[in-house]
Amino acid sequence: DTGVSQNPRHKITKRGQNVTFRCDPISEHNRLYWYRQTLGQGPEFLTYFQNEAQLEKSRLLSDRFSAERPKGSFSTLEIQRTEQGDSAMYLCASSLEVPEAFFGQGTRLTVV
Amino acid sequence: DQQVKQNSPSLSVQEGRISILNCDYTNSMFDYFLWYKKYPAEGPTFLISISSIKDKNEDGRFTVFLNKSAKHLSLHIVPSQPGDSAVYFCAASGDFGNEKLTFGTGTRLTIIP
Repeated sequence: DTGVSQNPRHKITKRGQNVTFRCDPISEHNRLYWYRQTLGQGPEFLTYFQNEAQLEKSRLLSDRFSAERPKGSFSTLEIQRTEQGDSAMYLCASSLEVPEAFFGQGTRLTVV
Repeated sequence: DQQVKQNSPSLSVQEGRISILNCDYTNSMFDYFLWYKKYPAEGPTFLISISSIKDKNEDGRFTVFLNKSAKHLSLHIVPSQPGDSAVYFCAASGDFGNEKLTFGTGTRLTIIP
């Protein structure tokens, strides 16, 4: 399977804990995006990378959130001190410098 | 501030008929428009796109129309099939170097057999 892969698919965590999600993009894609989707809404942009450089961060990405893409390959999204409002589907997408991005299946985070 | 709007949360269409999903946008800087389809518990799947220099793009049963003056686009699916039942998201992006997507809130399409 050469699509975008995200792990884990589901994560339940207690409020205040840290969580980390991983995204493996399509191998030849140099752009990688993170989005967040809550119930009844469309995906909302969080941040994106071109190769290993993080080029833009949304105001939605508070200082509790950090994303990395070491060596321009896979990416991780970490949320520190999780809050109930962080419960959402976290989506990763990749592309080749064109708007048509291909999405992974997402990681559903539930903060209890 | 919702820059991309899908005003119909749901739509039901008989199998074999045409499905028309609508989308409006407010940001004149958007340069490229896309439609994604989403099944429950899966990520969005890219369907079709259109550049702002065109007014129509067709791919099989799917056609997207763009009216720049009205800041409106629509997705036509004909004929509609039961497998088309899903949530459809309209998305928009800027020009080269600004390809992050701004999504609408989605329209749930149900195809009635």
